[in-house]
Amino acid sequence: GAGVSQSPRYKVTKRGQDVALRCDPISGHVSLYWYRQALGQGPEFLTYFNYEAQQDKSGLPNDRFSAERPEGSISTLTIQRTEQRDSAMYRCASSPETGLGVVAQYFGPGTRLLVL
Amino acid sequence: QKEVEQDPGPLSVPEGAIVSLNCTYSNSAFQYFMWYRQYSRKGPELLMYTYSSGNKEDGRFTAQVDKSSKYISLFIRDSQPSDSATYLCAMRGGGSNYKLTFGKGTLLTVNP
Repeated sequence: GAGVSQSPRYKVTKRGQDVALRCDPISGHVSLYWYRQALGQGPEFLTYFNYEAQQDKSGLPNDRFSAERPEGSISTLTIQRTEQRDSAMYRCASSPETGLGVVAQYFGPGTRLLVL
Repeated sequence: QKEVEQDPGPLSVPEGAIVSLNCTYSNSAFQYFMWYRQYSRKGPELLMYTYSSGNKEDGRFTAQVDKSSKYISLFIRDSQPSDSATYLCAMRGGGSNYKLTFGKGTLLTVNP
């Protein structure tokens, strides 16, 4: 079946512009996560949702970052007034409610964001 | 100090070698310990997990957790060129917050 998909795969923007990154989780997966991964580093947690409820947003760096998942499926991570330090790979992951869902998060291919 | 420390390597071994990868951590609340494998330009994928302390074996892979030392390991026996990837340790606490804390990853190359 289809895995987690993310769009766009690459995004180049100018400093000060807003960007919206989209994540389409595996069908039926209840939980959805956003991570940021710098080159040579592991993914760093940003936020996660159970269904449409944002359960934890402790990893969002500042109030320029926000995320939503209004219908409990597709999620959007929005970065306002982008800065060069926001450049990174943004990864989305999803997991089922039960079974391996306690440990297995299925990652998408990521969106590479470059802020000029 | 980061919650999870992992030597980034790189590590280069000949085919057939035994590989040892490890992580240390500082948060005693961590209950689930995972190893993810990440091929170049791909997202991480779960390789193995262990709950609390102990060993777990899956084919050529063995995961060990020593909670008293806050130290986890992954061993790869009879390493193959297809094992060449970045290996990331990840951890989470118990309860309903499934947030993962990752190490920075170790880049492994297995040379034929």
